[in-house]
Amino acid sequence: EPEVTQTPSHQVTQMGQEVILRCVPISNHLYFYWYRQILGQKVEFLVSFYNNEISEKSEIFDDQFSVERPDGSNFTLKIRSTKLEDSAMYFCASSLGQGLNQPQHFGDGTRLSIL
Amino acid sequence: GDSVTQMEGPVTLSEEAFLTINCTYTATGYPSLFWYVQYPGEGLQLLLKATKADDKGSNKGFEATYRKETTSFHLEKGSVQVSDSAVYFCALCVTSGTYKYIFGTGTRLKVLA
Repeated sequence: EPEVTQTPSHQVTQMGQEVILRCVPISNHLYFYWYRQILGQKVEFLVSFYNNEISEKSEIFDDQFSVERPDGSNFTLKIRSTKLEDSAMYFCASSLGQGLNQPQHFGDGTRLSIL
Repeated sequence: GDSVTQMEGPVTLSEEAFLTINCTYTATGYPSLFWYVQYPGEGLQLLLKATKADDKGSNKGFEATYRKETTSFHLEKGSVQVSDSAVYFCALCVTSGTYKYIFGTGTRLKVLA
């Protein structure tokens, strides 16, 4: 069964540094998402992306965050200047469509640790 | 706003015991409801879903019924196995704008042999 793949599985970065998290969505999917889960807390929506632009973003997704689909397969999340509170598990998801019968498929996540 | 509330974990059961993990929601409109499972070291996997009231989602012996009158979507399994040990997330999909998911905090299940 096709999968969403995320790399790296664990990223350790110094505070203030830029980090790029990478995702390869399922190949025929058209809608892409990032979520994050701070340890012990809820999985939270960050951003959705369709047709090469952001469809919706949460209040968490401030100017330090950006997303890009640089080619036909990758979907990236960039944090420009990381803060300690950015430490979390980041999940990428994709879906074929946006109807109620089009579930989102999630990757295994990237654990981001900011030192 | 829209939200999901799950029972606190961890839940520890013996093999073959009956499982219930409670989930209630608050939403405007008519959301779709989901249960996702996260096995140790892995990502979120869709376990089951229901898209309208009274629908029952089922998979791998797990069931959940979309109860609009009680705004609930409780997860049940008649006889758990050690391999069911994981974190279970209840989620709803809101349909205003982007179809984003709102998750509960997750409930850790540990099944003992």
